[in-house]
Amino acid sequence: QKEVEQNSGPLSVPEGAIASLNCTYSDRGSQSFFWYRQYSGKSPELIMSIYSNGDKEDGRFTAQLNKASQYVSLLIRDSQPSDSATYLCAVSGGSYIPTFGRGTSLIVHP
Amino acid sequence: GAGVSQSPRYKVAKRGQDVALRCDPISGHVSLFWYQQALGQGPEFLTYFQNEAQLDKSGLPSDRFFAERPEGSVSTLKIQRTQQEDSAVYLCASSLAGGEGQPQHFGDGTRLSIL
Repeated sequence: QKEVEQNSGPLSVPEGAIASLNCTYSDRGSQSFFWYRQYSGKSPELIMSIYSNGDKEDGRFTAQLNKASQYVSLLIRDSQPSDSATYLCAVSGGSYIPTFGRGTSLIVHP
Repeated sequence: GAGVSQSPRYKVAKRGQDVALRCDPISGHVSLFWYQQALGQGPEFLTYFQNEAQLDKSGLPSDRFFAERPEGSVSTLKIQRTQQEDSAVYLCASSLAGGEGQPQHFGDGTRLSIL
């Protein structure tokens, strides 16, 4: 069974700091990796997708993928209170059906 | 609207009743997914459609759950003889094309409570 593991948190960081969110996955054949942000009572919203090893930057967000170690991370620079949410990692490979982690709760305090 | 639309937003039903949840995907999106999300958990896959064809229903928890997408656009998830363990948020997502690696766009979900 394909598994995606995330620390449920909460991860608490001060405003302006870098938040680092991690995700590990079990299926070595995984090829597509996604980070979604989910505010309480709202739907998941796609933040980043990454498909190859290395870093991918988009504004304050950087996704990092290491297929050899089977982990993907999300860095949020200059964290803002509005970044407080649950961050879901999703992984798919050889299938159109992604497997989601349980999410990491992030709290950015002023 | 431009996004995925789900209705109703909230549904309360008595145990044993049947419920129907609707999803209106983004226009032109080929793929449609249904997920179940329990409190504090990530979305769990239920079923997948490519156009009107239900290609995978392996995540449906029992034969009380049924989904359809007869014209390849709007989809309905039906739960018969509801049980308390069916209480959850049901999310619908769509993506532009089928196949590997397509990002999904989610609706706001239907929060189902079974009394």
